[in-house]
Amino acid sequence: NAGVTQTPKFQVLKTGQSMTLQCAQDMNHEYMSWYRQDPGMGLRLIHYSVGAGITDQGEVPNGYNVSRSTTEDFPLRLLSAAPSQTSVYFCASSYSGQGMQFFGPGTRLTVL
Amino acid sequence: GQSLEQPSEVTAVEGAIVQINCTYQTSGFYGLSWYQQHDGGAPTFLSYNALDGLEETGRFSSFLSRSDSYGYLLLQELQMKDSASYFCAVDSNYQLIWGAGTKLIIKP
Repeated sequence: NAGVTQTPKFQVLKTGQSMTLQCAQDMNHEYMSWYRQDPGMGLRLIHYSVGAGITDQGEVPNGYNVSRSTTEDFPLRLLSAAPSQTSVYFCASSYSGQGMQFFGPGTRLTVL
Repeated sequence: GQSLEQPSEVTAVEGAIVQINCTYQTSGFYGLSWYQQHDGGAPTFLSYNALDGLEETGRFSSFLSRSDSYGYLLLQELQMKDSASYFCAVDSNYQLIWGAGTKLIIKP
């Protein structure tokens, strides 16, 4: 099992550009989520999904969109990148949304 | 509002025992998780407490008191590889609310 995979590992964008961060898991987990982590801080939940076709907002959803068309994939779209979105983005999955979550390696995003 | 408080930094000696405390104030509570994160890495799960009491997993133990909105992570027989940041996180209705993390510095 590959676990949770994320692409790309690193990305530099210019203000106003859009892009999609990819996340996939091969553990047949129903629950998937996206977090951002800023230096010296804990993770903050952006969006989450409790199953295919179901998504909901987390703590910091503005500027981001998600969709969940399959159990395996949960892409995160930045609509119009801003310097405030410079961060490390982690995708995670779990069986139920409670307890243990498995994290991908992260995407380090810089917006100039 | 929702908040979790944990010390920003803790220093300990190799081979010793260290306790990292976490107090929380959240609108919903299903359980308290602990994660470890090495510099540049992803968080990895350590433990989860849904009920009051102590959970032990090898050198790591975690404790929860729901009535006090308090938990702690206990690390025994510290090794240099335990140098990392440790986060407590509250399960609040499908949302994990995270503390800012405790940087554990281990001295030989």
